[in-house]
Amino acid sequence: KQEVTQIPAALSVPEGENLVLNCSFTDSAIYNLQWFRQDPGKGLTSLLLIQSSQREQTSGRLNASLDKSSGRSTLYIAASQPGDSATYLCAVNSTLTFGKGTMLLVSP
Amino acid sequence: DGGITQSPKYLFRKEGQNVTLSCEQNLNHDAMYWYRQDPGQGLRLIYYSQIVNDFQKGDIAEGYSVSREKKESFPLTVTSAQKNPTAFYLCASSNFRGRDYEQYFGPGTRLTVT
Repeated sequence: KQEVTQIPAALSVPEGENLVLNCSFTDSAIYNLQWFRQDPGKGLTSLLLIQSSQREQTSGRLNASLDKSSGRSTLYIAASQPGDSATYLCAVNSTLTFGKGTMLLVSP
Repeated sequence: DGGITQSPKYLFRKEGQNVTLSCEQNLNHDAMYWYRQDPGQGLRLIYYSQIVNDFQKGDIAEGYSVSREKKESFPLTVTSAQKNPTAFYLCASSNFRGRDYEQYFGPGTRLTVT
């Protein structure tokens, strides 16, 4: 059974720092991996979708990488801002399995 | 605007009562999903449907029921058999054609049962 783990569970950084969020999965036979953002009490907003044939996807200050062989994906956030404060979740869509998320706090 | 709507945003029920949560999408997506989110637990799949009039159980289907009579609608009923129904419920949809099924989420319904 696919298991998805996100480390760290929580992260607090000062504004302007570059940071990396980690997502690992146990079964490398995936079709794609999706990163989401969730604000308190809200639904999930899709950030990036990486197909299994891709290694990276970029959107603005966000860059997500995927290494199927090692069962890992990372979300890189450049020049963090207080508005980036939220919970970030990754999901393996082929098995509809989510990590528990990383709660990010960016302080001014 | 295309998207997914869930209603109501907050729902309160007495223990022993069945309650139905609404989910509607106008994205013309084939697949729809229901998840439950509890603090510290992440999202867990309740039911999903890949096509009208067909649906499959997810990891925690006990105490829940669904129907898919129309492509754009996938209501979830929380029955009195669900032992701990208080949670945040999220509906999602995706275009299931091929393998490129990016999921899109609604705003969620917070259910409180007392």
